[in-house]
Amino acid sequence: EVQLVESGGGLVQPGRSLRLACTGSGFTFDDYSMAWVRQAPGKGLEWVSHITGKVNGETTEYVASVKGRFTISRDNSKNIAYLQMNSLETEDTGVYYCTRWIVQSKFDYWGQGVLVTVSS
Amino acid sequence: DIQLTQSPSSLSASVGDRVTITCRASQTINIYLNWYQQKSGKVPKLLIYGASSLQSGVPSRFSGSGSGTDFTLTISNLQPEDFATYYCQQSYSTPTFGQGTRLEIK
Repeated sequence: EVQLVESGGGLVQPGRSLRLACTGSGFTFDDYSMAWVRQAPGKGLEWVSHITGKVNGETTEYVASVKGRFTISRDNSKNIAYLQMNSLETEDTGVYYCTRWIVQSKFDYWGQGVLVTVSS
Repeated sequence: DIQLTQSPSSLSASVGDRVTITCRASQTINIYLNWYQQKSGKVPKLLIYGASSLQSGVPSRFSGSGSGTDFTLTISNLQPEDFATYYCQQSYSTPTFGQGTRLEIK
């Protein structure tokens, strides 16, 4: 059974950093691209970033609003994908979901989500 | 970026009804269009991928159609558990989502 479990959320002041982690199980982790999708309170879904699998060179992409501030990475030996979030802004507040991303296809499995609150 | 516009933004329907939600892309996306269901406070769930393919385990009352720029999600014989928010998402280029359609009980 595919499972994705996020960790690392919490309350942080504007300008500070936070690192989210997503641990995958039940599938060959390094074969798949992984992504982060977020949802601000009461708002819709927004793709944030993804990192492709080992065979596709672990390339990364970001939504414009986080470029230069967020970094996605992966540790295939531990089956973990990370989202390093620096220079956090209040607009980054929301639930962050880890998803498995079938490139040019679908987000087929989702974690339970982790809440990030950026507030002074 | 490719913009997706869903209509309507919200609708009310009754159990047993047939409803259709539309998603329009700002440029052609072939059939790279998916639909997700999100119940209040819950994780989004993939319903349809590739415009019309039903994800494993999803009831057959859900169907999708379309290609190019115009797509539809149809739910036949609405069930109480179908009242939720629905999102379209394109995977032709950097992923984007529609703004969502809230389906409420009449």
